[in-house]
Formats: sequence, C-alpha cells, structure tokens
Amino acid sequence: DGGITQSPKYLFRKEGQNVTLSCEQNLNHDAMYWYRQDPGQGLRLIYYSQIVNDFQKGDIAEGYSVSREKKESFPLTVTSAQKNPTAFYLCASSNPRPNGYTFGSGTRLTVV
Amino acid sequence: RKEVEQDPGPFNVPEGATVAFNCTYSNSASQSFFWYRQDCRKEPKLLMSVYSSGNEDGRFTAQLNRASQYISLLIRDSKLSDSATYLCVVYAGGTSYGKLTFGQGTILTVHP
Repeated sequence: DGGITQSPKYLFRKEGQNVTLSCEQNLNHDAMYWYRQDPGQGLRLIYYSQIVNDFQKGDIAEGYSVSREKKESFPLTVTSAQKNPTAFYLCASSNPRPNGYTFGSGTRLTVV
Repeated sequence: RKEVEQDPGPFNVPEGATVAFNCTYSNSASQSFFWYRQDCRKEPKLLMSVYSSGNEDGRFTAQLNRASQYISLLIRDSKLSDSATYLCVVYAGGTSYGKLTFGQGTILTVHP
C-alpha cells in the first residue's frame, strides 16, 4: 500500500545535539513538506520541496535543514541552533496542484 | 492578521446536536479549500474538499463564500466519534505552489 513513513515515532534529544527525522513516501508524489505542530497550535511550515535537489524555506526554517536527493525521501535535521525543538513533526507529500496532502504519522521530538 | 483563522473553541455538544465551524482566509487569490480532521496525537486526515457551490458528504456540509473569504463546516447529528480537532486549510497557488496553509484548528468534543 502506498503511503508516507516517518521514523522514529518518538525521539529524545540532548541539548546541543543534532538529530535527523526520516520521511519516506512511495506515492510517487513530486512535492514533500515538513510541518511543526506545538500544543494547541496549528501546523507551521518548516521546509518544502517541489522536485528532487530543490527545496525552499517555509515560515520557520531557522535551526532546521533538509535534503532531497531522492524523490522518495525528504529527511529533516533539527540542529542545535533550534532553540525550542520540542514539538510534533509532520511530513507530508502531494502532487504539485494539491488535492490535499497525505501525512505521515509524525515524530514527537523531546529535548531532555 | 493570520492567513487562515478559526475559532479555536472548544465546542462541547451533546450527541445528536448540529454544530458549525467557521474559518476566514486573508488571501483573495486562494484557489482550493479543505477541511481536515486531527485526532489527539495523530496526523491530520483529509475530511473533505470545499467547493464554491457547497458540498455535502453524509452528515458533513462544507460551504465557501469567496466574496467574504469565509469557509464553514456543518456537522449534523453529532456522534461521539466526531470528537477531534477540525483544521481549515487553504491552497493559495501562485508562488505558494503546492503549499497548504493551516488554521490553528477548532476543538470539538461530543458528549453522551
């Protein structure tokens, strides 16, 4: 079955550490996205990519980095420069003219 | 002003009630509109697209008023299983190619 797989489901990070969140899709979608959700708040766009080897900053890109070396994969690195990384991270994919997104099941990142 | 604004609620209604959610968007060039449902600690899932003529899917009715830049969702005969957060989502097109903007969500609790 086609879908998006995010891993890990839960992640704990020490202060000053970089961590990478995985996102893989087999839907043959061109576009992929990373969103962050904080409790009681909506989704905020971190980065998005419309094609391989190209990506754009979203509204809150500071402290994050991404790569898009393959169509299927769009990993997100949360760097030590991100001062408040504890959040629920959601990866999504779509066709270029989206009729909605398909979301992964998310990664909960906690700084310890 | 936020691009997409919703009344966060919470809405607490008894089973069988009719409840309506409202949403406004700021970009008059917005092209596509959606309602998503998000259960606690889960990823958002597409509930329905919103069409200019209004559309219905079972107990759910969505309306769009482009002149007022206003979207609504009506739920009739509420069920306990309707308890969730409902997200209003807008696709602006143009330079926002592929990118959806999410409202902060409206929390619904249906009680016996």
